[in-house]
Amino acid sequence: DAGVTQSPTHLIKTRGQQVTLRCSPKSGHDTVSWYQQALGQGPQFIFQYYEEEERQRGNFPDRFSGHQFPNYSSELNVNALLLGDSALYLCASSLETGSPYEQYFGPGTRLTVT
Amino acid sequence: TQLLEQSPQFLSIQEGENLTVYCNSSSVFSSLQWYRQEPGEGPVLLVTVVTGGEVKKLKRLTFQFGDARKDSSLHITAAQPGDTGLYLCAGALETSYDKVIFGPGTSLSVIP
Repeated sequence: DAGVTQSPTHLIKTRGQQVTLRCSPKSGHDTVSWYQQALGQGPQFIFQYYEEEERQRGNFPDRFSGHQFPNYSSELNVNALLLGDSALYLCASSLETGSPYEQYFGPGTRLTVT
Repeated sequence: TQLLEQSPQFLSIQEGENLTVYCNSSSVFSSLQWYRQEPGEGPVLLVTVVTGGEVKKLKRLTFQFGDARKDSSLHITAAQPGDTGLYLCAGALETSYDKVIFGPGTSLSVIP
């Protein structure tokens, strides 16, 4: 049973550039949420996708956008990168008809902006 | 301002000791979850508590949800080095159940 996978594992970008992170949900899951975790802090909710649409959004600027594909995989895009965007980006999947609180996380993508 | 506060922020204990970590809020949550996160990995769900006053046990770990559903505690008995990690509580607000909010975490180190 494949768990949540994310790619790439690490990424280094320059301020002002754009980045795309990818996530494949756990087998059978249809909902994907993205989180940003700064060093020494808990994850902060960015947004959630279900049925290829953004359903909920946290307090993040429009530079953060996403997409969900028909196979439930998802992408997180960040434009005009800032130094403060350096963080671990986590993807979590869940099942819409299951408990919305039972999320399974991937290992994350470590983004460093220089 | 954090909606969920966790204490202590850091905890270092000897193997075999007991410990309790706390998760508190002024808001009411429809559920609370506890996760453990190890360096370089994503959080792993340990338990979900839903009913006020609920107590759940997972081997040496005991989780309690406050009667008013505003706080929770995690008690570990006879801690082992394998318990080392960042313990995160997370909750779904009654007013926005799809959006899960995380606390800042308690970093636990169990010394052999």
